[in-house]
Amino acid sequence: DTAVSQTPKYLVTQMGNDKSIKCEQNLGHDTMYWYKQDSKKFLKIMFSYNNKELIINETVPNRFSPKSPDKAHLNLHINSLELGDSAVYFCASSSQGIEKLFFGSGTQLSVL
Amino acid sequence: GESVGLHLPTLSVQEGDNSIINCAYSNSASDYFIWYKQESGKGPQFIIDIRSNMDKRQGQRVTVLLNKTVKHLSLQIAATQPGDSAVYFCAETRNYGQNFVFGPGTRLSVLP
Repeated sequence: DTAVSQTPKYLVTQMGNDKSIKCEQNLGHDTMYWYKQDSKKFLKIMFSYNNKELIINETVPNRFSPKSPDKAHLNLHINSLELGDSAVYFCASSSQGIEKLFFGSGTQLSVL
Repeated sequence: GESVGLHLPTLSVQEGDNSIINCAYSNSASDYFIWYKQESGKGPQFIIDIRSNMDKRQGQRVTVLLNKTVKHLSLQIAATQPGDSAVYFCAETRNYGQNFVFGPGTRLSVLP
């Protein structure tokens, strides 16, 4: 069974649209993340939630809003999509005391 | 800000040879480091980690070396196989925290 799963795998949309990416982990971890990977493969953290509370919020446009309904889920909603939002978005999770990150397989977002 | 970087963006090695992937970090306060492997279309996967109180750690066919004096981290892969072809990232954090900073990645290509 997939440990960290995110949907959709691919997302193609027009500029100005609003879209969401969902993430779920079945590892029992208490912390979840969203990372953005650009076309040059550079990975940068966007958000981190611990037990449904936001603990890291890097410099990200406020068009991006994470939502954590429970500690097993962390969704990412993006308003008014722009061309520069095109990237691969990775969800990850970790557990306090076991710092390594477990990543999902990514959502490739293409904004046309 | 401080960042983690790699000397070589691409590395090509013959199958069966040993590979060495390097990473330079600039934050002397970093105390925990991880190497990740990212295959095409997948999320990064944990390979090996090392804490700052160690200078070497070995896994199956992989060894991580940490030189705190020059702030350098390396990943050695023994007897490189075609399945090792991927992008490799180093990541660092402080206080065993959860805000990992990733390096830009090195693409390893294994030649037949």
